[in-house]
Amino acid sequence: GAGVSQSPSNKVTEKGKDVELRCDPISGHTALYWYRQSLGQGLEFLIYFQGNSAPDKSGLPSDRFSAERTGGSVSTLTIQRTQQEDSAVYLCASSMKRGEQYFGPGTRLTVT
Amino acid sequence: AQTVTQSQPEMSVQEAETVTLSCTYDTSESDYYLFWYKQPPSRQMILVIRQEAYKQQNATENRFSVNFQKAAKSFSLKISDSQLGDAAMYFCAFLLDDGLTFGKGTHLIIQP
Repeated sequence: GAGVSQSPSNKVTEKGKDVELRCDPISGHTALYWYRQSLGQGLEFLIYFQGNSAPDKSGLPSDRFSAERTGGSVSTLTIQRTQQEDSAVYLCASSMKRGEQYFGPGTRLTVT
Repeated sequence: AQTVTQSQPEMSVQEAETVTLSCTYDTSESDYYLFWYKQPPSRQMILVIRQEAYKQQNATENRFSVNFQKAAKSFSLKISDSQLGDAAMYFCAFLLDDGLTFGKGTHLIIQP
């Protein structure tokens, strides 16, 4: 079956612009996760959703970051007023049960 | 908070030989999961092997096996009969309830 998909694959944006990154999980997976991979910080866990709710948003790097999930499926990660330090690969994963996570191909964000 | 340490930034092995990647972690929990993920230049995170902490038996997947030492909080990955396609970044990861905590990764080079 289809895996986790993410769009866009690559995004170049100017500093100060807003961006939206999309994640489409594996069908039937109730949990969805966002991670950021950067040269300086490595792989960081940002936020997860169980259904449509996110129990803990403390992993988001700043208040410019927000995420939502509607209909228990697609999730959007929004970064407002992008900064150069936001440049990274943003990875999404999904799972149906504890102890597993399947990753998408990621979105490479470049802020110029 | 949990931490994961990979002490080998880079490892090199001859094709067909065996290589072991090291990983240690720190946690006060007893019920958790450990993973090894492979990330080739395509940036897709590929699950290599998974270990449930309450299982004493070491996980194996074809040429890949782990040495899980729960008391020592050690989780090393052994790759037998190394192949050129094994060349990638390898990440050790810990999972409790929400997001994965990753190590910094080990870059594995396969010498032909």
